[in-house]
Amino acid sequence: DAGVIQSPRHEVTEMGQEVTLRCKPISGHDYLFWYRQTMMRGLELLIYFNNNVPIDDSGMPEDRFSAKMPNASFSTLKIQPSEPRDSAVYFCASSLDFLNYGYTFGSGTRLTVV
Amino acid sequence: QQPVQSPQAVILREGEDAVINCSSSKALYSVHWYRQKHGEAPVFLMILLKGGEQKGHEKISASFNEKKQQSSLYLTASQLSYSGTYFCGTEIGIYGQNFVFGPGTRLSVLP
Repeated sequence: DAGVIQSPRHEVTEMGQEVTLRCKPISGHDYLFWYRQTMMRGLELLIYFNNNVPIDDSGMPEDRFSAKMPNASFSTLKIQPSEPRDSAVYFCASSLDFLNYGYTFGSGTRLTVV
Repeated sequence: QQPVQSPQAVILREGEDAVINCSSSKALYSVHWYRQKHGEAPVFLMILLKGGEQKGHEKISASFNEKKQQSSLYLTASQLSYSGTYFCGTEIGIYGQNFVFGPGTRLSVLP
């Protein structure tokens, strides 16, 4: 099993540009989560999906953020337009049943907006 | 509501023991524990459920005191590889609607 795969590993972009982060969850995992990690705010849940359906997006900071999961093996997190305060490490995680088995995190995407 | 972790940081010598605490102001259904090494993703260690037993993972174990609304992570005879930031995550409901990570405890094990 290759684990949760995220791309790109690093992204540097200019303010105002669109950024798309990608995630491939572990096959068979019904839950997919997008987290953001910063020194100031720690690990924050942005949105999670169950069987490709968004369940809770209350953590999405603004309308500039959007997430999709068109199928069970792919999800995207898009920021448009990006701002310097969006700079963070974005993690995707998947779980078979997170109430009983916990999350498997991807390696993360380090986003820097200049 | 974010759980509270203590201590914020701890420094140990190899072979020493440590305890990390995680507490909530609300009744808990479950507690997760994760370890994150610098520059890496968090890695799941264990989960404790309400009414469940103390869990163990090599020399790392945890307990869950429902009455006190807290969990403790025990690291015995620490190894250099135990260094990292330990996060607890708490869930108050049975449907997972309110899962939130704590701020983390930074553990440094020195030779």
